[in-house]
Amino acid sequence: EDQVTQSPEALRLQEGESSSLNCSYTVSGLRGLFWYRQDPGKGPEFLFTLYSAGEEKEKERLKATLTKKESFLHITAPKPEDSATYLCAVQALNFNKFYFGSGTKLNVKP
Amino acid sequence: SQTIHQWPATLVQPVGSPLSLECTVEGTSNPNLYWYRQAAGRGLQLLFYSVGIGQISSEVPQNLSASRPQDRQFILSSKKLLLSDSGFYLCAWTTGSPLHFGNGTRLTVT
Repeated sequence: EDQVTQSPEALRLQEGESSSLNCSYTVSGLRGLFWYRQDPGKGPEFLFTLYSAGEEKEKERLKATLTKKESFLHITAPKPEDSATYLCAVQALNFNKFYFGSGTKLNVKP
Repeated sequence: SQTIHQWPATLVQPVGSPLSLECTVEGTSNPNLYWYRQAAGRGLQLLFYSVGIGQISSEVPQNLSASRPQDRQFILSSKKLLLSDSGFYLCAWTTGSPLHFGNGTRLTVT
């Protein structure tokens, strides 16, 4: 069964304190892994797509990496405006379906 | 550029009443369309997806139905709402990957 698990459920950081979010997945053939940011009361906003193990993508203070079983979202020197819920999703070989994890709620204190 | 519209943004309905949520996409053709539901603090649960007009795949047996009367229009319906139908409903589209989301409808069934 295709499954996505994210950890931790919640993370509190001080401004400038770097950390990583984890997304582990089980899928019958991976077409792509996606990271999203979701602010309260809003739809998820697309951040990155990763297609193969060893691939990395960067955007400002965020860097996403991918292995054969998991992905990490590294946050370097976070700022309060990085506070949000970060969602991970996988697209199976039956490319019509996208499966989401339950997210990591990040709170960055000034 | 492509945009996705979802309405209404919030909705309060009594138990047993009907439901109709609408989603339209602009700026693209033949998109795959999706309905997800997100419970408070939870991940996204795939409800329905559609690869074309009149083609609906249901992922979870429930009190809801979906229809796609036009290429870029997706409708989520219910004949009689249950308390358990409360949640945040998100429409999304893709022409391959990734998924792009609307801003959602917050449904409260009282």
